[in-house]
Amino acid sequence: RKEVEQDPGPFNVPEGATVAFNCTYSNSASQSFFWYRQDCRKEPKLLMSVYSSGNEDGRFTAQLNRASQYISLLIRDSKLSDSATYLCVVNPLGGNTPLVFGKGTRFSVIA
Amino acid sequence: SAVISQKPSRDICQRGTSLTIQCQVDSQVTMMFWYRQQPGQSLTLIATANQGSEATYESGFVIDKFPISRPNLTFSTLTVSNMSPEDSSIYLCSVEGRQGRNEQFFGPGTRLTVL
Repeated sequence: RKEVEQDPGPFNVPEGATVAFNCTYSNSASQSFFWYRQDCRKEPKLLMSVYSSGNEDGRFTAQLNRASQYISLLIRDSKLSDSATYLCVVNPLGGNTPLVFGKGTRFSVIA
Repeated sequence: SAVISQKPSRDICQRGTSLTIQCQVDSQVTMMFWYRQQPGQSLTLIATANQGSEATYESGFVIDKFPISRPNLTFSTLTVSNMSPEDSSIYLCSVEGRQGRNEQFFGPGTRLTVL
């Protein structure tokens, strides 16, 4: 089983749609969780950290279910500028230790 | 977040040659990491660059192929040695984020093509 698994997509939605991306991780002791966004031919950029209590940043909501080892990202009112690859990222050891990346979910918002 | 630069941004190299990639950060950081992203794939960690000691390599990556330097807390280099077309990839450095947050921030990457 891969350490971090995501649906690769692509997800193509119209502007204004709500979409959810899911991710599972294999190491139950993992400490920290993140969603990164990667635009074509660019480096990954941190979108948001994921906390056990769930957290929201504008149109984006991230949730963590430790029991199911499952992470989600909800995007509401999708904009054209949201089109990107969304990477689910886990820090298994915590602290300043290497991250483990999912393969990413490709997402396109269509006018 | 820290400002991270990489040089070169891209290069096209011949088989059998070596390329050294530089990563510069605008603030002192304890941890720097080197990742590789092959076409259509996600990021894979090559090694952790430790200041004052040898780099720590992940399974499948060796020092002879990917020597790393970390002379101070703001700079690191990764060399891709004796290149083959399979080394064509984007190479990214990353640094730790804010204290206690376990985030990482990435440089813009070096796009390497080996002919």
